[in-house]
Amino acid sequence: GIQVEQSPPDLILQEGANSTLRCNFSDSVNNLQWFHQNPWGQLINLFYIPSGTKQNGRLSATTVATERYSLLYISSSQTTDSGVYFCAVLSGYSTLTFGKGTMLLVSP
Amino acid sequence: DSGVTQTPKHLITATGQRVTLRCSPRSGDLSVYWYQQSLDQGLQFLIQYYNGEERAKGNILERFSAQQFPDLHSELNLSSLELGDSALYFCASSVTHAAGELFFGEGSRLTVL
Repeated sequence: GIQVEQSPPDLILQEGANSTLRCNFSDSVNNLQWFHQNPWGQLINLFYIPSGTKQNGRLSATTVATERYSLLYISSSQTTDSGVYFCAVLSGYSTLTFGKGTMLLVSP
Repeated sequence: DSGVTQTPKHLITATGQRVTLRCSPRSGDLSVYWYQQSLDQGLQFLIQYYNGEERAKGNILERFSAQQFPDLHSELNLSSLELGDSALYFCASSVTHAAGELFFGEGSRLTVL
């Protein structure tokens, strides 16, 4: 099946800093989603982005499908951004496959 | 709020017991997916139903079963529970069977003692 690798595995930031999270995948995809899992365990949809660029407030994402990667940008990070960020992809008619996530800690 | 409802939110039970987790998809969504999140295995796909029919199967144990009812809600049955079944169980839904955007419920946290 498709492989999904996320980097870095862990990230510690000071409030106000910017960061870039990366997701590499091993095959062509027809769906790619970014999720934030907050400290209470909830999985929150951030972006549905099989290709192109999207922005939502301080967050933006870019997927370059031909090169098999996606990037999630977090600007002016806040403590509420802490949690685990997952990239998940769909290839063919399979189901969403998740990466192992990037654990982000934003300190005040 | 994703629109996907899962109950119960927390469940504590003993080894050997059986539990049922329930999921109501977003209005209009025909596909329901079950995922298991454990510390050592990450988020693993278990099973998918589309409009009442099983559509895809992942790493679901034989002790586990699921179904989707005519009103499109789904239940995941876990039996002969073991300590290692302790995990967060998520339900997700999407409009189609080919998984456009998936929306996840808040999860059911199962603890087996």
